[in-house]
Amino acid sequence: DSGVTQTPKHLITATGQRVTLRCSPRSGDLSVYWYQQSLDQGLQFLIQYYNGEERAKGNILERFSAQQFPDLHSELNLSSLELGDSALYFCASSGGLGPEQYFGPGTRLTVT
Amino acid sequence: AQSVTQPDIHITVSEGASLELRCNYSYGATPYLFWYVQSPGQGLQLLLKYFSGDTLVQGIKGFEAEFKRSQSSFNLRKPSVHGSDAAEYFCAVGPEGYNTDKLSFGTGTRLQVFP
Repeated sequence: DSGVTQTPKHLITATGQRVTLRCSPRSGDLSVYWYQQSLDQGLQFLIQYYNGEERAKGNILERFSAQQFPDLHSELNLSSLELGDSALYFCASSGGLGPEQYFGPGTRLTVT
Repeated sequence: AQSVTQPDIHITVSEGASLELRCNYSYGATPYLFWYVQSPGQGLQLLLKYFSGDTLVQGIKGFEAEFKRSQSSFNLRKPSVHGSDAAEYFCAVGPEGYNTDKLSFGTGTRLQVFP
């Protein structure tokens, strides 16, 4: 158990809908990262937050947004969902002596 | 820009055989290097990390990796593979850029173990 929690574990929704994925980092970690993992794209970095502020941005679509709250949990919002958004979404956190990231179990999103 | 290459997409070994997974990196300074393992339907678990010092690092589950600056490599090894080692393995390097701990991940190597 990495100490990073993600909810929900599974999510099935229809095209055009909006969903919110939630992540709680390890205790004391200030950085949260979001990744998308799909068969054709592999592991793609989406965005990083550090202590409530956006720190780095990757291949995140404009339909996607994220935020980190004062209690350091983070949410990833996906809107106007398309079939191609079906993937595993991982959250990771870091904040110790080095940049190693600790991953949550992921949320599997299925868009039908 | 930093990058990681894992040349082997898929590797098959017999149980009890030795294993080496290759990782080559491109990085402008002394890198931080990592190996992660992902079992089916699971998140990524940190196997080991290299920051500095001894170039041979030990990790969990009997894995080790050797940092070779001259070859820009950080290969993962295990002397005797178990069936439970079947998984996908990712090499990562970082941090990328200023003011971020963002890592760059390789595309992964899928390990299949035959009994």
